[in-house]
Amino acid sequence: NAGVTQTPKFQVLKTGQSMTLQCAQDMNHEYMSWYRQDPGMGLRLIHYSVGAGITDQGEVPNGYNVSRSTTEDFPLRLLSAAPSQTSVYFCASSYITGGGIDTQYFGPGTRLTVL
Amino acid sequence: AQTVTQSQPEMSVQEAETVTLSCTYDTSESDYYLFWYKQPPSRQMILVIRQEAYKQQNATENRFSVNFQKAAKSFSLKISDSQLGDAAMYFCAYRNYGGSQGNLIFGKGTKLSVKP
Repeated sequence: NAGVTQTPKFQVLKTGQSMTLQCAQDMNHEYMSWYRQDPGMGLRLIHYSVGAGITDQGEVPNGYNVSRSTTEDFPLRLLSAAPSQTSVYFCASSYITGGGIDTQYFGPGTRLTVL
Repeated sequence: AQTVTQSQPEMSVQEAETVTLSCTYDTSESDYYLFWYKQPPSRQMILVIRQEAYKQQNATENRFSVNFQKAAKSFSLKISDSQLGDAAMYFCAYRNYGGSQGNLIFGKGTKLSVKP
């Protein structure tokens, strides 16, 4: 049971380049989400999904796209990288219960630098 | 909008002693969840403890316990018998009950150092 996995661990991009951050979970969780963590701040929600084929925006969605074709995978796409997107990105997943989204478990993070 | 405030940017504790990290939050909701996450230098976000607002009993997990004061909107974390491995950033987080967004609202964190 690997939990939540993310690749790559580190990435350096030039302004304007595109790339995809990968996230996978093997716990059969319905809910998956992407957060970004900036220095001196807690995590902020970018996008989330409550099941395959269903995605929605979080607090800071601009500049990012997501899709969810399977329960296991939830990739995050940067369409045209900007220096403001330099951050650490976390993927998280959880079950959905009667009380809503259950406790979220996080992947190890991807440190992205945009030059 | 909900907010979470951690007023102690840094804390220090001697090994084997007890330390309390503070967290306050603001919400107009009556049902919600509160969490403490630990982030060691490895960067991994690790769930420490969780509290449901409808439960009056304070949550405990081994050496970790919380003091949940709903009326005061306070949610402090007590670490007993501190160990070197407890050194990390600690984040307090809030989430509404129900709904599908699942948005965790995080505080800015408290950096805990443990002295041998």
